[in-house]
Amino acid sequence: QKEVEQDPGPLSVPEGAIVSLNCTYSNSAFQYFMWYRQYSRKGPELLMYTYSSGNKEDGRFTAQVDKSSKYISLFIRDSQPSDSATYLCAITGGGNKLTFGTGTQLKVEL
Amino acid sequence: DTGVSQNPRHKITKRGQNVTFRCDPISEHNRLYWYRQTLGQGPEFLTYFQNEAQLEKSRLLSDRFSAERPKGSFSTLEIQRTEQGDSAMYLCASSLGTGGDQETQYFGPGTRLLVL
Repeated sequence: QKEVEQDPGPLSVPEGAIVSLNCTYSNSAFQYFMWYRQYSRKGPELLMYTYSSGNKEDGRFTAQVDKSSKYISLFIRDSQPSDSATYLCAITGGGNKLTFGTGTQLKVEL
Repeated sequence: DTGVSQNPRHKITKRGQNVTFRCDPISEHNRLYWYRQTLGQGPEFLTYFQNEAQLEKSRLLSDRFSAERPKGSFSTLEIQRTEQGDSAMYLCASSLGTGGDQETQYFGPGTRLLVL
């Protein structure tokens, strides 16, 4: 079993939809949670970062962490075609390497 | 300085050749990380530095791989006697340090390696 599990998709939604992306993890020592967006053949771009349970909002993006269930989510409101990319969750216990999910490929269609 | 930079962006080489990649982190970032990403997968950790000290190496980093960060600034990743299985995107990231917001890692554009 991988330390971080993420559905690879692909996920296709119409423009304007609310998108829900999720990851589960197994190591309770993980305490920092990040979401990256990666366009094809580009490096990952940081979207959201949190280190506590609960919600964190930034514009159209909301990150949610439930440490008791070892479950993290990223919600995208009013999705746009420009949101079409691969979304990676990344988790660390602190001070060192990130452990990534496989990435979920998202396509927002007109 | 607006972000992490990596050079070259693309490298095509023949099996058995040596290649070297360079990463320039964000100024004042003490930590520098190398990851490898293959198609359809998330990045996998290779190694990281705190200033000039290499603190951890993944089992993925075979003896053919070596990384350095002289003077705690830029870093190089060298692959000797390349194999076709080394074909991947090599990503560099940097962070301020440990704890709270300092944990955030910022990635460069990557170096895409193709071994023929």
